[in-house]
Formats: sequence, structure tokens, C-alpha cells
Amino acid sequence: KNEVEQSPQNLTAQEGEFITINCSYSVGISALHWLQQHPGGGIVSLFMLSSGKKKHGRLIATINIQEKHSSLHITASHPRDSAVYICAYGSYNTDKLIFGTGTRLQVFP
Amino acid sequence: DGGITQSPKYLFRKEGQNVTLSCEQNLNHDAMYWYRQDPGQGLRLIYYSQIVNDFQKGDIAEGYSVSREKKESFPLTVTSAQKNPTAFYLCASSMDNLYEQYFGPGTRLTVT
Repeated sequence: KNEVEQSPQNLTAQEGEFITINCSYSVGISALHWLQQHPGGGIVSLFMLSSGKKKHGRLIATINIQEKHSSLHITASHPRDSAVYICAYGSYNTDKLIFGTGTRLQVFP
Repeated sequence: DGGITQSPKYLFRKEGQNVTLSCEQNLNHDAMYWYRQDPGQGLRLIYYSQIVNDFQKGDIAEGYSVSREKKESFPLTVTSAQKNPTAFYLCASSMDNLYEQYFGPGTRLTVT
């Protein structure tokens, strides 16, 4: 069983729709990361958060520490948002990040 | 421009040959990481280094080796002992293990 569970695994949307991707984990963490991987393979860090909410453009990330749950929202989705979105966490008692398997998003015009 | 580079983007090798993947960063980051990505799986940590001349095994270090002689460079050698070397390899760096990681573009290795 993966220590990080993402849902859904695959998601299709029409341009303009509001998107939500969920991430659940089971241990205490120091920070939660959201990453974006485009079809070419390169990975970009979108957010790192340990509490509350962060916003960057049309992207919003939230975390609920008590419920061990985070969400990534995309408002007014666009075909260029099509990518794999990966959730990962770091904790104080390990030097490494633990990664989810990703959510594949396709946004159609 | 600051960043992290990997070369080459695609690499083809015959079974039984060792191959070295390059990773260079000019972000002045202390920590560097090597990951392997296979279809349908999350990123898996191969090796990491938090400081020059020191590195630790990750979850799947068998069949791989690394060196960290310079802060900027963290090359990964895939040896002939690695049973299933064909994969996408990603290098990353960060200020330390509690900060966000910056990823390189990756190297897709195919061994036949």
C-alpha cells in the first residue's frame, strides 16, 4: 500500500472547468509538496506547504494537517494544464520525500 | 540562469555495459538526489547526497553507484548488476532535505 494516496488516478475535463485533485497520507509530516510533470518528463515544483492554503495564479493548494489530507485545485482549466500532478511529503525523521503515483489530467478544448 | 541539467536526454546501451548519467546544478544547493520513474509507479529514490563527499543509499540503490566530488555534480552510474535498468531517471537538488526540490529534465535510458 502506497504511503501517499492520490485520487483520482485519471481525470478528464473540458476547458474552463474547476479541477480538484486529492492527496491523503498516514503519518505526521513536515511539508506537503505538489509537483507537475509534463509529457516530456520534466518535473516542476508547484507548492510546498505545511498548513493552510497557498495560491499561485489559477492554482490553489490546501492542506488539513489533522485529517492528513491535501487538495490541489485548478480554476478555469486550460489544455496547457494537461499533465501528471504528483503529491509528495517530507517528514522530520527522514531525509527523503515520499511520492504518490500521480494523477493524470487531460483538459480538452 | 540557475538550474539543474541532465545529459543526455535519451541514452541507449547494450546489456552488460555500465553507463553514467550526468547531473549538474548551479543553484548552490547542498542536497542532490537521483530518482527512478517506471510507468504506473511513484518516483523511487536511488541515492542522495546532503554534502560533498558524502552520500546515502535510497530505497533502490542495488546496481547503482554515485559520487559527489563537487557540490555542483552528482553523476549516477548504472552498472551491469542492475537487473532492469530501462527507466526514466530524474535528478533533483534542494537547499537541504526540508526544502522544495528542483528537478532536471530527466534521462530516458533504454538497455537492450
